[in-house]
Amino acid sequence: GENVEQHPSTLSVQEGDSAVIKCTYSDSASNYFPWYKQELGKGPQLIIDIRSNVGEKKDQRIAVTLNKTAKHFSLHITETQPEDSAVYFCAASNPSGYALNFGKGTSLLVTP
Amino acid sequence: DGGITQSPKYLFRKEGQNVTLSCEQNLNHDAMYWYRQDPGQGLRLIYYSQIVNDFQKGDIAEGYSVSREKKESFPLTVTSAQKNPTAFYLCASTPSGGGGYGYTFGSGTRLTVV
Repeated sequence: GENVEQHPSTLSVQEGDSAVIKCTYSDSASNYFPWYKQELGKGPQLIIDIRSNVGEKKDQRIAVTLNKTAKHFSLHITETQPEDSAVYFCAASNPSGYALNFGKGTSLLVTP
Repeated sequence: DGGITQSPKYLFRKEGQNVTLSCEQNLNHDAMYWYRQDPGQGLRLIYYSQIVNDFQKGDIAEGYSVSREKKESFPLTVTSAQKNPTAFYLCASTPSGGGGYGYTFGSGTRLTVV
């Protein structure tokens, strides 16, 4: 499958600070980029997504940006709270037209 | 409420034994997927099905088998040919295939070889 690189693998921030997670993808034909939050022992939950015809999307404290030229997309969480602590995965649509390819995840810890 | 149900939550397998993981959805979704999750490895695609009675291998299909006899059900069998089956298995669905939809995931099955 397509290679999706995600950084950093772990991230620790203080409550109220911002957190940024970055992903890159390899195939310019990818056109859909979701982000998932996974809490311990649970399945991932979709938190925000963006399509290739949009450069930025925001939902309250969460935003995603996409740079198609550089093949980068990023998740921004502002005013972090302890309940934001989880593993976050980025994904990119498979250029063959099926499924999603996932990054390896970022473990975010928000300390009070 | 609509969703995906995976069972069991925990499963233990003896060496040389086949086991089947259940995945049922009541979302009326056409496409269903199985992913394997290992620590630090992200999610890797095992099999996917875009429609009833059709399924395709993903990136790590060796040692696994699936069936899609009903729209709402997509069971995964971990066979004895899978040499390292201990992992967290996630089932997901989307309204249709094509990769342009966010997945709805189940809560996962943790399989351990004993």
